Amino acid sequence: DGGITQSPKYLFRKEGQNVTLSCEQNLNHDAMYWYRQDPGQGLRLIYYSQIVNDFQKGDIAEGYSVSREKKESFPLTVTSAQKNPTAFYLCASSIAADIKLFFGSGTQLSVL
Amino acid sequence: GQQLNQSPQSMFIQEGEDVSMNCTSSSIFNTWLWYKQDPGEGPVLLIALYKAGELTSNGRLTAQFGITRKDSFLNISASIPSDVGIYFCAGPYGQNFVFGPGTRLSVLP
Repeated sequence: DGGITQSPKYLFRKEGQNVTLSCEQNLNHDAMYWYRQDPGQGLRLIYYSQIVNDFQKGDIAEGYSVSREKKESFPLTVTSAQKNPTAFYLCASSIAADIKLFFGSGTQLSVL
Repeated sequence: GQQLNQSPQSMFIQEGEDVSMNCTSSSIFNTWLWYKQDPGEGPVLLIALYKAGELTSNGRLTAQFGITRKDSFLNISASIPSDVGIYFCAGPYGQNFVFGPGTRLSVLP
């Protein structure tokens, strides 16, 4: 089954803690993205990566970090510098030639 | 930055009714994507449109790429309870994508 797998589905962060959200895809897509979704709001871009070992900041990158060491993996770390991390996080991927964007099932991050 | 507008913002319909919603932009788009999102889940791609005037169906869903390339429409025929969710449009913008705020659909039995 081809797709995008996000884990965990639910994650809780303590004050001052860094947490990492996993995103793996087996679609052989070059581009991967992280979005943040707050209740009643649209999707906001955190980081994106067009190729391995390269990534770019999106509109709300502060307090987040990413890596892209493998084509299929694009983990997102929510650092302690992100003061309002509670949100639904979505990972997505696309292949340029087809210009379709596919999403994972999301991770709900909450603060304890 | 670029924004997409969607209307209506929300709608309540009776089961069996047809639904229409639209997405507009101030800029021209070459691709329109329509998604449905259930609560607590990731958006699922419903229909992709690539050409002005194109009309594409996916079951009871039909979407059209506006002639001006600045809008797109999604219709759902004979709605059923599982159609409940948020529908939003998207389009490629530079190296990324831009999204509409969504239309929240509620289906009353």
